[in-house]
Amino acid sequence: RKEVEQDPGPFNVPEGATVAFNCTYSNSASQSFFWYRQDCRKEPKLLMSVYSSGNEDGRFTAQLNRASQYISLLIRDSKLSDSATYLCVVYNYGQNFVFGPGTRLSVLP
Amino acid sequence: GAVVSQHPSRVICKSGTSVKIECRSLDFQATTMFWYRQFPKQSLMLMATSNEGSKATYEQGVEKDKFLINHASLTLSTLTVTSAHPEDSSFYICSATGTSVYNEQFFGPGTRLTVL
Repeated sequence: RKEVEQDPGPFNVPEGATVAFNCTYSNSASQSFFWYRQDCRKEPKLLMSVYSSGNEDGRFTAQLNRASQYISLLIRDSKLSDSATYLCVVYNYGQNFVFGPGTRLSVLP
Repeated sequence: GAVVSQHPSRVICKSGTSVKIECRSLDFQATTMFWYRQFPKQSLMLMATSNEGSKATYEQGVEKDKFLINHASLTLSTLTVTSAHPEDSSFYICSATGTSVYNEQFFGPGTRLTVL
């Protein structure tokens, strides 16, 4: 089993739709969690850190469930510019960052 | 967010030459820097982790004598691809973490290496 797993995708949704991505991690000692987005042929950019209490930034909401070792990202009112690959990243203190394989999102006009 | 720069953004070289890529944290001190490689349509692959003033820790399967990493200061790390071959052609991305309690990782814009 991979240490970080994500929905395989791709997700093709119309503009304005709500879309949710799921991510699970296997290391129960993992400490920090992030969502990054990566556009084609570009570097990953931090979208949100995921806090234990959950957090929201505009149209984006991230949730963490430590008991289930599960992280989610919800995007409301999708825009064309949201089209990208979304990477779930887990940090294990003293070790390294572990990237999920990514979930590709295409928002269609 | 914090800014990480990388130079050059694109390089084309002949087989057998060496290429040096610089990674700089512009507005924070990077306690740890990471080097990744990404092939088309594949995930990022961690090559090595480096802390300022100490030797880099390489991932399994990454040749340390081929990919030389120097982390001379808290704002600069370099990756030198020695005796490059066409199979080394890839997108090389560095990232850095500072002292934020949440350990966010900030990425440079990447260097696209093409070895002819």
